[in-house]
Amino acid sequence: EDQVTQSPEALRLQEGESSSLNCSYTVSGLRGLFWYRQDPGKGPEFLFTLYSAGEEKEKERLKATLTKKESFLHITAPKPEDSATYLCAVQAGSGGSNYKLTFGKGTLLTVNP
Amino acid sequence: EPEVTQTPSHQVTQMGQEVILRCVPISNHLYFYWYRQILGQKVEFLVSFYNNEISEKSEIFDDQFSVERPDGSNFTLKIRSTKLEDSAMYFCASSVDRANGYTFGSGTRLTVV
Repeated sequence: EDQVTQSPEALRLQEGESSSLNCSYTVSGLRGLFWYRQDPGKGPEFLFTLYSAGEEKEKERLKATLTKKESFLHITAPKPEDSATYLCAVQAGSGGSNYKLTFGKGTLLTVNP
Repeated sequence: EPEVTQTPSHQVTQMGQEVILRCVPISNHLYFYWYRQILGQKVEFLVSFYNNEISEKSEIFDDQFSVERPDGSNFTLKIRSTKLEDSAMYFCASSVDRANGYTFGSGTRLTVV
């Protein structure tokens, strides 16, 4: 069974204080690893897809990296508007099935001004 | 930016009643999904739908659940006889293909009393 574990569960930062969120995964045949942002009462908002170890993607203050066992979401000089729950999800399997996403529980990020 | 639209945003229903949750996916997307999130828990896959048929479903998606795309724009999730444990946020999502990030709607909060 595919497993996704995110740490920490919650992270509180001061504005401008850079940090990283971790997503470790155990899957058979990774198709892709996805990062989403979720605001309270809203649906997940797509950020990145990573497909292979060594891949990196950036968007504004966010940078996602991928190894064979984990992914990191690096947040550089965060602002209060970056406060949200960040979700990691994997898509795994082979053949014509298993395109579902398996999510972790998320990291609740709070950025204080 | 194109959006996935879900209605209603909140539905309260009596246990044993049937509910239909509605979604309008992004117009050029071909793959459609339902996920749910019980309060405080992970986002969980329910079902994926392509070419007018279910392509994948989870163990949660038992005989009380069904999906339909009755016309060219709507995608619905029906729960035939609701149970207390069906109370959750239900998210519809759509994608152009299976390997890239989905676009999620804002969700329907279903409360079964």
